[in-house]
Amino acid sequence: EPEVTQTPSHQVTQMGQEVILRCVPISNHLYFYWYRQILGQKVEFLVSFYNNEISEKSEIFDDQFSVERPDGSNFTLKIRSTKLEDSAMYFCASSGVRVNTEAFFGQGTRLTVV
Amino acid sequence: GENVEQHPSTLSVQEGDSAVIKCTYSDSASNYFPWYKQELGKGPQLIIDIRSNVGEKKDQRIAVTLNKTAKHFSLHITETQPEDSAVYFCAALSRDNQGGKLIFGQGTELSVKP
Repeated sequence: EPEVTQTPSHQVTQMGQEVILRCVPISNHLYFYWYRQILGQKVEFLVSFYNNEISEKSEIFDDQFSVERPDGSNFTLKIRSTKLEDSAMYFCASSGVRVNTEAFFGQGTRLTVV
Repeated sequence: GENVEQHPSTLSVQEGDSAVIKCTYSDSASNYFPWYKQELGKGPQLIIDIRSNVGEKKDQRIAVTLNKTAKHFSLHITETQPEDSAVYFCAALSRDNQGGKLIFGQGTELSVKP
């Protein structure tokens, strides 16, 4: 069964450092997303991406965040200068040919900023 | 903006009993409602979804009902088993949203006791 894969599973970084979280969406999907989940809280939308550009972003997704699809398979989230409050689980998701179809999530990357 | 409220936050049932989790949404333009199951350390897994043109959908032991007038939808799990223990999230997507942004509820931690 096709699945969304994320690497690394856990990343520890020092405050102020840049991190790149990587995702391989399901191969025939066209819509890509990043969500985050702070420990014990609800899943929050960060950004959606379609046709090589951002479709929508939340207020969380400020200038420190960027996304990229550098090739035909990877989808990345970059945090330029990490803050302690960026510590969370980050989930990548993808959905098919229409935006309101089922979104499938990866297993997540746990980011710890120290 | 859209808001999704989910109750209860925790639910404990005996194996074999039924479990019901309820969500309400605020945006009357919402037309897609998925439910996700999240096991410890894993990403959200889509288990069932419903669109606004139907009132009920069933898949084996899992069913979802939707009341558009009252703007609420519920997840029903019958004959619960210990492996149903997890955190369950409801979500909503508005037809006015072009970016595919899912709004999640706060989650319900279901515990099924053998």
